[in-house]
Amino acid sequence: NAGVTQTPKFRILKIGQSMTLQCAQDMNHNYMYWYRQDPGMGLKLIYYSVGAGITDKGEVPNGYNVSRSTTEDFPLRLELAAPSQTSVYFCASSYSSGTGEADTQYFGPGTRLTVL
Amino acid sequence: AQKITQTQPGMFVQEKEAVTLDCTYDTSDPSYGLFWYKQPSSGEMIFLIYQGSYDQQNATEGRYSLNFQKARKSANLVISASQLGDSAMYFCAMRDIRGNYQLIWGAGTKLIIKP
Repeated sequence: NAGVTQTPKFRILKIGQSMTLQCAQDMNHNYMYWYRQDPGMGLKLIYYSVGAGITDKGEVPNGYNVSRSTTEDFPLRLELAAPSQTSVYFCASSYSSGTGEADTQYFGPGTRLTVL
Repeated sequence: AQKITQTQPGMFVQEKEAVTLDCTYDTSDPSYGLFWYKQPSSGEMIFLIYQGSYDQQNATEGRYSLNFQKARKSANLVISASQLGDSAMYFCAMRDIRGNYQLIWGAGTKLIIKP
């Protein structure tokens, strides 16, 4: 049981380049999330998904896109990378039963992205 | 608007002592969840403990306990018998169960355990 996996672990991009950060979970969780963590700060939600085919914006979605074609995968696409997107990116997943209980989010190891 | 406040940017604690990390929150919703996560220097985010707004008892998980004072809107993390491996950043987070399910995060507290 691998939990939440992310690739790559590190990446350096030039301004204007694009890339996709991969995220996969094998826990059959219905919810998935992408966060970014800037140095010395807490996490900010970029996008989230409540199930395959359903995505929605979080607090800081500009410059990113997501898709969720399967329950397991939730890739994050960066178009036209900018220095402001230098950050650590975390993918997380959780299972929501819809009963009102707050479900715990489990995180991947993160991707450290530098845009130069 | 929902908000999480962690007022201690950093703390030094002697090994084997207990430590309390402060967290206050602000929400107008009656139904919410509170979480604590640990982030060691290696960078991963590790779930520690959860408290629901309707839970009657304070949550406990091994050496971790949550001092939940609903009227004061505080959810402090207590680590008993601290160990060197407890040195890390600690984040408090809140989730509005009726909202869009995103976690609202505090800025974190850097805990350093001294031998």
